[in-house]
Amino acid sequence: ETGVTQSPTHLIKTRGQQVTLRCSSQSGHNTVSWYQQALGQGPQFIFQYYREEENGRGNFPPRFSGLQFPNYSSELNVNALELDDSALYLCSTARGGLAGGDNEQFFGPGTRLTVL
Amino acid sequence: AQKITQTQPGMFVQEKEAVTLDCTYDTSDPSYGLFWYKQPSSGEMIFLIYQGSYDQQNATEGRYSLNFQKARKSANLVISASQLGDSAMYFCAMREEITGGGNKLTFGTGTQLKVEL
Repeated sequence: ETGVTQSPTHLIKTRGQQVTLRCSSQSGHNTVSWYQQALGQGPQFIFQYYREEENGRGNFPPRFSGLQFPNYSSELNVNALELDDSALYLCSTARGGLAGGDNEQFFGPGTRLTVL
Repeated sequence: AQKITQTQPGMFVQEKEAVTLDCTYDTSDPSYGLFWYKQPSSGEMIFLIYQGSYDQQNATEGRYSLNFQKARKSANLVISASQLGDSAMYFCAMREEITGGGNKLTFGTGTQLKVEL
């Protein structure tokens, strides 16, 4: 096991609702990234947090937002849920915020979100 | 922008045989990192092996080895002595710098491996 945990495991919401997903990082890992994995596809980068600030963002609308806390845990918030938001949401943690550094990129077990 | 290509949607291998999963990449960055992950049906993305672009030797981790051919921009995963538990989806990924000083992983579409008796 990686030491990266996510909650909840599964979640069912309806269109228009808001959801918060949580991630606790591996010990010593101060960078958290979030990915969305639609069924049958590879994960897509949503954003990354380093030292409590957003460190980069993928091609996702502003209704996807996040937070990182002093203990390096993180939240992903999605407002105004749409059917296409149904996916597996993965968080990944690593040491450092600079590119080309650490080769440890460990993922949590994911949260499976279903939007009806 | 970087791109990862996995051309094998599905692969079958006999138990105890070796199998190679293909991955090619495209980047103009001189420094990059390549990863392979295993994703069983439970969904967790399990780290298998890492290869840095400046590493002189191919990476190995137990039964996993990475056949890194830099000039061809390929980073194939070799699994030796396949086991039934190796049946899963396998993703190749590349670490890429992003605006803001961070980095992200760009994934391929994956290869579904089935190990048969």
